[in-house]
Amino acid sequence: GENVEQHPSTLSVQEGDSAVIKCTYSDSASNYFPWYKQELGKGPQLIIDIRSNVGEKKDQRIAVTLNKTAKHFSLHITETQPEDSAVYFCAASGPDSWGKLQFGAGTQVVVTP
Amino acid sequence: NAGVTQTPKFQVLKTGQSMTLQCAQDMNHNSMYWYRQDPGMGLRLIYYSASEGTTDKGEVPNGYNVSRLNKREFSLRLESAAPSQTSVYFCASSDWPLQETQYFGPGTRLLVL
Repeated sequence: GENVEQHPSTLSVQEGDSAVIKCTYSDSASNYFPWYKQELGKGPQLIIDIRSNVGEKKDQRIAVTLNKTAKHFSLHITETQPEDSAVYFCAASGPDSWGKLQFGAGTQVVVTP
Repeated sequence: NAGVTQTPKFQVLKTGQSMTLQCAQDMNHNSMYWYRQDPGMGLRLIYYSASEGTTDKGEVPNGYNVSRLNKREFSLRLESAAPSQTSVYFCASSDWPLQETQYFGPGTRLLVL
């Protein structure tokens, strides 16, 4: 089955700097790659996703890139703000997954003023 | 529109006790999922229901049972709780296969003594 690895496990950045989180996946058939943000005491919430027919997608200060050949994808947050502090999860699924997602272990992002 | 709701928010059990975690969604989604979240391990799928009337095992089903009561409700039962089941449990739903985005509930924190 699919295996997703996520790095780093913790990331501390100064407000205004950029943050990058990287994930690798094992199943070359995977074609859907969402990113979730989890604030303290809450459930994860989708912030951006990308499909395998697209190399990059942006939404304001966040962007996701996908390298299908290398089987890795990354989340980029620019101009970080204190409200970006949270745990971020990457995930992957394929056409035969019945909607199931395989999650990475998560990255704790701390934005310091 | 409440989205995905879960009850209870917090529960303490003694080893060997049983309990049922409740989940309901009001988005008319076909698919529902139960995850557990443990530190450093991301979200691991316990059981899922691709459509009303069907349930299937996920990555970590041992010690759990589920019931898809109707399209809205998907419950998770611990028949004989063990300390290893201390975790935060999240329910999610999606409109798979039309759309893969999973929407999560607020979670249930379970402590088994």
